[in-house]
Amino acid sequence: QVRLQESGPGLVKPSQTLSLTCTVSGVSISNSSYYWSWIRQWPGKGLEWIGYIYHSGSTYYNPSLKSRVTMSVDTSKNQFSLKLNSVTAADTALYYCARSSYGDYWGQGTLVTVSS
Amino acid sequence: QLVLTQSPSASASLGASVRLTCTLSSEHSTYAIAWHQQQPEKGPRYLMKLKDDGSHTKGDGIPDRFSGSSSGAERYLTISRLQSEDEAYYYCQAWGTGMIFGGGTKLTVL
Repeated sequence: QVRLQESGPGLVKPSQTLSLTCTVSGVSISNSSYYWSWIRQWPGKGLEWIGYIYHSGSTYYNPSLKSRVTMSVDTSKNQFSLKLNSVTAADTALYYCARSSYGDYWGQGTLVTVSS
Repeated sequence: QLVLTQSPSASASLGASVRLTCTLSSEHSTYAIAWHQQQPEKGPRYLMKLKDDGSHTKGDGIPDRFSGSSSGAERYLTISRLQSEDEAYYYCQAWGTGMIFGGGTKLTVL
């Protein structure tokens, strides 16, 4: 059974870097030909795709966030990660990780609040 | 530019059926989409991937009450025998240069 679980600090100060990790179980990131994505959702709002990483490490980011986003993958831990720098209150959101182009598995989400 | 359009809201009675619509931008009318359900206070849940020919692949444990169909640039999600737990937001999503989401439809079960 494939499961994804987000983890990371729930509170980040303005101008600092948001860091989240998605731990995958039930499938090996390195042995699968899937894209691994990060998506966020503002409270009560719709969904915004942040970017994806492939098991090879290749990435593609939403152009609106590209200058602030870095994704990485650690196949030995079966994890992939998100870093978003220079955060502001507008980055306060629920952050989800998901598998594949069509999001066939999602994590439960983690709320990140940007506040001093 | 790939755009997915959904009605903001829909409603139907308990036990009835409802069809939700997602419209692709015209130049992307052959694109496959996915339907995702988001119940209150929960994360999105994948329902199915739906192709332009109407064939669809459902996610693990998705009941037969959920089905998909297509016509031109429109992609449909039909929910039969509505239950109270079907009250949720439903998002369609396509793959362009990344995941593109529709604005979501809030389904109310009366």
